[in-house]
Amino acid sequence: AQSVSQHNHHVILSEAASLELGCNYSYGGTVNLFWYVQYPGQHLQLLLKYFSGDPLVKGIKGFEAEFIKSKFSFNLRKPSVQWSDTAEYFCALRGGGFKTIFGAGTRLFVKA
Amino acid sequence: DAMVIQNPRYQVTQFGKPVTLSCSQTLNHNVMYWYQQKSSQAPKLLFHYYDKDFNNEADTPDNFQSRRPNTSFCFLDIRSPGLGDAAMYLCATSREEETQYFGPGTRLLVL
Repeated sequence: AQSVSQHNHHVILSEAASLELGCNYSYGGTVNLFWYVQYPGQHLQLLLKYFSGDPLVKGIKGFEAEFIKSKFSFNLRKPSVQWSDTAEYFCALRGGGFKTIFGAGTRLFVKA
Repeated sequence: DAMVIQNPRYQVTQFGKPVTLSCSQTLNHNVMYWYQQKSSQAPKLLFHYYDKDFNNEADTPDNFQSRRPNTSFCFLDIRSPGLGDAAMYLCATSREEETQYFGPGTRLLVL
């Protein structure tokens, strides 16, 4: 069965701190992996995605994620967060077909 | 330049009273999806349309139906809403298996 696990439900950081949000998945085949962000009052937006190739993928707004196949992980990172990064972050996977499985989300609050 | 539009943004209905949520898109994507997201939980796929072909998830209750009269529009019908159906309903679109684009969601409250 496919599943996505996000380690932290809530994260609080000060501005300029480094961010790493954990994501682990369970799926036996080839996966497509995604990070989505939902800013307060807005819709889900794609931050970055991994389909194949370089396991280190760069997304919008300075975010990056690394696919480590041996660890079934796809952690999201940003070297220095800003207050405007306050949002909820969702890791997601798609195995075969159109079904996308989402993690429960991590709420990030950045203190100014 | 809204791409995936959901109406209404908030919907209040009574227990057992049928309700319809709508989604439209300007992206001309051939795949449309409906997700249910309950508070503090992950979005959960209910079903999707690949062109005109309807694909129901195995665990989607029969109470939930969908219609797609044309490429641009897709509707979610809840025949007899229960208290447990209160949630955010998200519509998304994609071209084939490419990136999904989400609408802002409709928050459903069942009284």
